Amino acid sequence: GESVGLHLPTLSVQEGDNSIINCAYSNSASDYFIWYKQESGKGPQFIIDIRSNMDKRQGQRVTVLLNKTVKHLSLQIAATQPGDSAVYFCAENMATYKLIFGSGTRLLVRP
Amino acid sequence: GAVVSQHPSWVICKSGTSVKIECRSLDFQATTMFWYRQFPKQSLMLMATSNEGSKATYEQGVEKDKFLINHASLTLSTLTVTSAHPEDSSFYICSARNVIGTDTQYFGPGTRLTVL
Repeated sequence: GESVGLHLPTLSVQEGDNSIINCAYSNSASDYFIWYKQESGKGPQFIIDIRSNMDKRQGQRVTVLLNKTVKHLSLQIAATQPGDSAVYFCAENMATYKLIFGSGTRLLVRP
Repeated sequence: GAVVSQHPSWVICKSGTSVKIECRSLDFQATTMFWYRQFPKQSLMLMATSNEGSKATYEQGVEKDKFLINHASLTLSTLTVTSAHPEDSSFYICSARNVIGTDTQYFGPGTRLTVL
C-alpha cells in the first residue's frame, strides 16, 4: 500500500556539508527508483533515478545508492546549499508505472 | 522539455459544488497520467491512473464516482471532484509519463483545493 507519514523526519545540515537521506522501500520486485525534491506548495521535481540492475548512479552534486539486499535507497547531496532545503521523497516503480512514494524527509540547511 | 501544467493552481469552493482540475503535458504526449493527493506534511498518495481513451484505474479506497477522471487526448487529463466536502480539501498533483517509452514521470505544480 501507499506510504503515509504524519510527522516528517528532519535532517539538519550545515551549509557546505554533505547530506545523506535514506529510504526503505517495500517491494522487492520494484525495478526502478526515483528521488524527488518538493518545495513548499509545489509539485515534486525529479532529481535522479536508478534501475535495479545498478547499485550506484551519480548526477550533478547528487548520488543515489541502491542496496537491494536490504531494500534500501539513499540520496547523497554534496556541498549542500540553502537552495537544497526541501522535502525529499523516494519513489519505487511498481507494475504499470505506478509510483509508490516514501514518507519523505525534510532537509534543512543551516547558513 | 517535459513540462506539465495544472489549472487552476488554487481554488476555493463551497461544500456541495464540483471542481474540475486540468493537467496538461505541454511539450510531449502522455498516454498515461496519474493523479495524486497530498495532505499537509504527508506523502503523495496515488488516487488513480488515467489512460488516454480508456477508463481510469482507481486505487483502493478512492471513490470513482466522486473523483471523475477524463483523459480525452494525449496531452490533457481532468479530475473533477464532485459534491466536494471540507475533507476533500487537499493538494492535488498530476504527473504524466511520456509516450516514448521512458519510465520517468513528470509532475505538475499541483492544485490547492479548499472546500468551505
